[in-house]
Amino acid sequence: KAGVTQTPRYLIKTRGQQVTLSCSPISGHRSVSWYQQTPGQGLQFLFEYFSETQRNKGNFPGRFSGRQFSNSRSEMNVSTLELGDSALYLCASSSGEGGRAIGETQYFGPGTRLLVL
Amino acid sequence: GEDVEQSLFLSVREGDSSVINCTYTDSSSTYLYWYKQEPGAGLQLLTYIFSNMDMKQDQRLTVLLNKKDKHLSLRIADTQTGDSAIYFCAETGGFQKLVFGTGTRLLVSP
Repeated sequence: KAGVTQTPRYLIKTRGQQVTLSCSPISGHRSVSWYQQTPGQGLQFLFEYFSETQRNKGNFPGRFSGRQFSNSRSEMNVSTLELGDSALYLCASSSGEGGRAIGETQYFGPGTRLLVL
Repeated sequence: GEDVEQSLFLSVREGDSSVINCTYTDSSSTYLYWYKQEPGAGLQLLTYIFSNMDMKQDQRLTVLLNKKDKHLSLRIADTQTGDSAIYFCAETGGFQKLVFGTGTRLLVSP
């Protein structure tokens, strides 16, 4: 099976612009989660989607949004970019069938490195 | 609350054992994970342990879990230079949310 793929791998934007990142999960996986990794804050959970519905959300401003399509592919969008949004954005997929009580093994993609100038 | 802590740095010699420690606060976590991150790469799942287990061994990796103290450790036997990376422990925070530790940078010298 192919792993989790993320596009693009690298991105340079300027403050005030918006950006859309894409994630394709492992075939058969219905849950996609997004994380932001920065040197200062470490790895932080953004949100999780399952069957096109957001099930869980981290503590990020409304500028960060996401969606999931019927084929389980997911996109995240950041509007009005700030310098502090420069980070590695990681996507992870899992079957998602376990529900709230059970954590399932998540498989991560290589990430999209975003630089905001 | 959710707070996972790790020591920042560990240096060992090739062939020695490495022990990376982690403390967590959410006693309701059902699974605890160890991930490895090499420079410029995403996260690679190394191993995980279910919360009702005390120990899990997987080839060179041994995970120990002390639920009373909320302490998790990862032991790497016969550490190799290729094991040099950042290691993250993580606990589950509801649905598929993972709460990660700060990461421990392991440096293995020849």
